[in-house]
Amino acid sequence: AQSVTQPDIHITVSEGASLELRCNYSYGATPYLFWYVQSPGQGLQLLLKYFSGDTLVQGIKGFEAEFKRSQSSFNLRKPSVHWSDAAEYFCAVGEAAGNKLTFGGGTRVLVKP
Amino acid sequence: DAGVTQSPTHLIKTRGQQVTLRCSPKSGHDTVSWYQQALGQGPQFIFQYYEEEERQRGNFPDRFSGHQFPNYSSELNVNALLLGDSALYLCASRATGTRETQYFGPGTRLLVL
Repeated sequence: AQSVTQPDIHITVSEGASLELRCNYSYGATPYLFWYVQSPGQGLQLLLKYFSGDTLVQGIKGFEAEFKRSQSSFNLRKPSVHWSDAAEYFCAVGEAAGNKLTFGGGTRVLVKP
Repeated sequence: DAGVTQSPTHLIKTRGQQVTLRCSPKSGHDTVSWYQQALGQGPQFIFQYYEEEERQRGNFPDRFSGHQFPNYSSELNVNALLLGDSALYLCASRATGTRETQYFGPGTRLLVL
């Protein structure tokens, strides 16, 4: 069965500092990997996805993620956070592009001024 | 393009009652998935509908049922509500046969008292 672990429940970062969110997955085959962001009371917005090819993927809002098969990881990074990046971030794995997604528990990001 | 829409936005029910949530997919999308997101947790897959049939199902009891209509819209029905059914219910849609990922709606927040 597939699973996703996000080890950090909360992360506090200063505005302008870099951000890295960790994601580890368990899946038997080549995974489809996603990062979503959820602002309070909102649905999920796709930040980026990895299906195949280049292991460093670029997304919206200046985010990027790196797929490391040997470590079963798909960590999300942003070089310089903005106050508007305060939100909850979810990593997810899927069997294919549109099949069911298995989500991690999420990481809540707080941005200090 | 209206994106994925869900109704109602909020709902309060009593234990033992039944509830119906509705979802209209993004224009051009024909597959609809439903997820349950309990407070402080990641979304969990309930089921997916395509061509008016349930195609995949997550680990949810039979109290959770769904329907898809010829216009691709969908309903989620929950019978005999329990306190633990209180959650944000998210609908996601996509176009089958593409590598396009799922688009999520804003969700319906259900409170069971």
